[in-house]
Amino acid sequence: DVKVTQSSRYLVKRTGEKVFLECVQDMDHENMFWYRQDPGLGLRLIYFSYDVKMKEKGDIPEGYSVSREKKERFSLILESASTNQTSMYLCASSLLAISYEQYFGPGTRLTVT
Amino acid sequence: AQKITQTQPGMFVQEKEAVTLDCTYDTSDPSYGLFWYKQPSSGEMIFLIYQGSYDQQNATEGRYSLNFQKARKSANLVISASQLGDSAMYFCAMREGGTGNQFYFGTGTSLTVIP
Repeated sequence: DVKVTQSSRYLVKRTGEKVFLECVQDMDHENMFWYRQDPGLGLRLIYFSYDVKMKEKGDIPEGYSVSREKKERFSLILESASTNQTSMYLCASSLLAISYEQYFGPGTRLTVT
Repeated sequence: AQKITQTQPGMFVQEKEAVTLDCTYDTSDPSYGLFWYKQPSSGEMIFLIYQGSYDQQNATEGRYSLNFQKARKSANLVISASQLGDSAMYFCAMREGGTGNQFYFGTGTSLTVIP
């Protein structure tokens, strides 16, 4: 069974803090993705990666950075958290093939106060 | 322009009835895949069904079928014999060919099954 895990289900941080969200997949997938999900806006892509050390900006990369040093791990970094980054963050992974679906982690609900 | 459009923010269906959730897409790539995901209130995203752009037949998976109309660029999800457990958010997504294979998601449809 494919498994995508995220380091925390719930996280509360203060404005200005540096925040790390970790995602690990165990199926040797090339692609990994970070989304944020907000009511009425669906899933918006922040960054994705198709190989180690490779990254591509998604639709809303501002205020975020990512790191992929190992194939199985994709980290999302909020350099200086702000209240408008309060959201649900979903990580996903997939093989590099059009017909292959994404597998999602359970999500991290981040609250920035 | 939106790559994926879901125009129904909320839908209601009577238990045991069928329901259609609409999805239209926009791409000029001849090779693409279309996906539907379910997100119950617990939050996990569950893959339901896939349709490839070159597939001649509509995809089916149990009670789920995808009504694929290529000329209209629509990929509607049909759920037959609705059950209470079908109450959830449903997302349509598209994956185009090319490097990276980015996925594009719609804004979702909230389905409520009424007993």
